Amino acid sequence: QKEVEQNSGPLSVPEGAIASLNCTYSDRGSQSFFWYRQYSGKSPELIMFIYSNGDKEDGRFTAQLNKASQYVSLLIRDSQPSDSATYLCAVNMTPPRAGGSYIPTFGRGTSLIVHP
Amino acid sequence: DAGVIQSPRHEVTEMGQEVTLRCKPISGHNSLFWYRQTMMRGLELLIYFNNNVPIDDSGMPEDRFSAKMPNASFSTLKIQPSEPRDSAVYFCASRGPRAQQLMNTEAFFGQGTRLTVV
Repeated sequence: QKEVEQNSGPLSVPEGAIASLNCTYSDRGSQSFFWYRQYSGKSPELIMFIYSNGDKEDGRFTAQLNKASQYVSLLIRDSQPSDSATYLCAVNMTPPRAGGSYIPTFGRGTSLIVHP
Repeated sequence: DAGVIQSPRHEVTEMGQEVTLRCKPISGHNSLFWYRQTMMRGLELLIYFNNNVPIDDSGMPEDRFSAKMPNASFSTLKIQPSEPRDSAVYFCASRGPRAQQLMNTEAFFGQGTRLTVV
């Protein structure tokens, strides 16, 4: 069973702090990794993607990937109350047979609460 | 583009009734995914299509669930007969062809259908 694991939280941080969200995955063949944000009652929306080992920065967000450790993380700098949401880690898992598509597989999400 | 469009947004039905959920993917996208989201199990993949062809339906919980994609712009997920344990939010997502470096692009989600079976 190919899996994506996240701590469900909630992770509570004060406004202005750095929030660190983590994710591990089981499939060594995975090639692309995504972070989605989901507000309560809404659908998931993409905020970051990363394909290569190392860091990728986009505004207040930094995604980090370590394929050897099968680990992905998301850092949110200067956290704001509007960042309060569930963050879903998604991994494109290798297809069960040759020629198939990589399958977006999601963790259960980490709930982030940013308090003023 | 209007994004992925799902209907209805909310559905309340009685146990034993047939339920049909609908999805219109983003134009030009060739992969379509149906997910179910619950508090207990998170987002679970039910089935996905490539170029209108069902590729993997191993996530469909049982024979009461079926999905079709008669053309590139429309898909349905049907539950017959429905049961209270089917209550969840059902998401449809679509994805375009592979981007550069042979990496898949991200999946875009519809607004979801909140199904309640009483």
